[in-house]
Amino acid sequence: EAGVVQSPRYKIIEKKQPVAFWCNPISGHNTLYWYLQNLGQGPELLIRYENEEAVDDSQLPKDRFSAERLKGVDSTLKIQPAELGDSAVYLCASSLGGGDTDTQYFGPGTRLTVL
Amino acid sequence: KNEVEQSPQNLTAQEGEFITINCSYSVGISALHWLQQHPGGGIVSLFMLSSGKKKHGRLIATINIQEKHSSLHITASHPRDSAVYICAVSANNDMRFGAGTRLTVKP
Repeated sequence: EAGVVQSPRYKIIEKKQPVAFWCNPISGHNTLYWYLQNLGQGPELLIRYENEEAVDDSQLPKDRFSAERLKGVDSTLKIQPAELGDSAVYLCASSLGGGDTDTQYFGPGTRLTVL
Repeated sequence: KNEVEQSPQNLTAQEGEFITINCSYSVGISALHWLQQHPGGGIVSLFMLSSGKKKHGRLIATINIQEKHSSLHITASHPRDSAVYICAVSANNDMRFGAGTRLTVKP
């Protein structure tokens, strides 16, 4: 069974440029998460989807970040415009349900460097 | 103050040593998770606990709900155990992560 797929794995851009990350969750997983992980820290939730509905986007900086999960499968996270402080690893995860005891399966992440 | 605190931040051990990583949390939880993150980013779930103790191979995880504390033990450590170990707690469909413990096991 394929795991969570993310692309690109690495991205280097200049500040003020736009960038987009793509995630394909495990087949059949209804819940999809986008996390941001800074160096030396644990992941921080940006947004959580139940099917195509964003059920928790309270930590998403909506002035520059946007996300979508069309048809409740793949998801895209966009930053426009990117700032130096956005340099981090962006992780996507999925789970069967969104419950506290559901195991989350993580993708390899996209390492973003903003110059 | 972070809701999930791990100690130590960094740990270096010799191959074969017994390893203990600690996690304390300050909120009510439904479950506690131990995760492993290898260089390159991939995170793998090791354990999910809501009480007691679980064992998988050389890994043992325990939790004390009253004291809001969990430990991850690695017996007979091996260089391939070198990774970042992350403690996370889940409650109300929200998961909070510790900063991780970077373990290096030297041959």
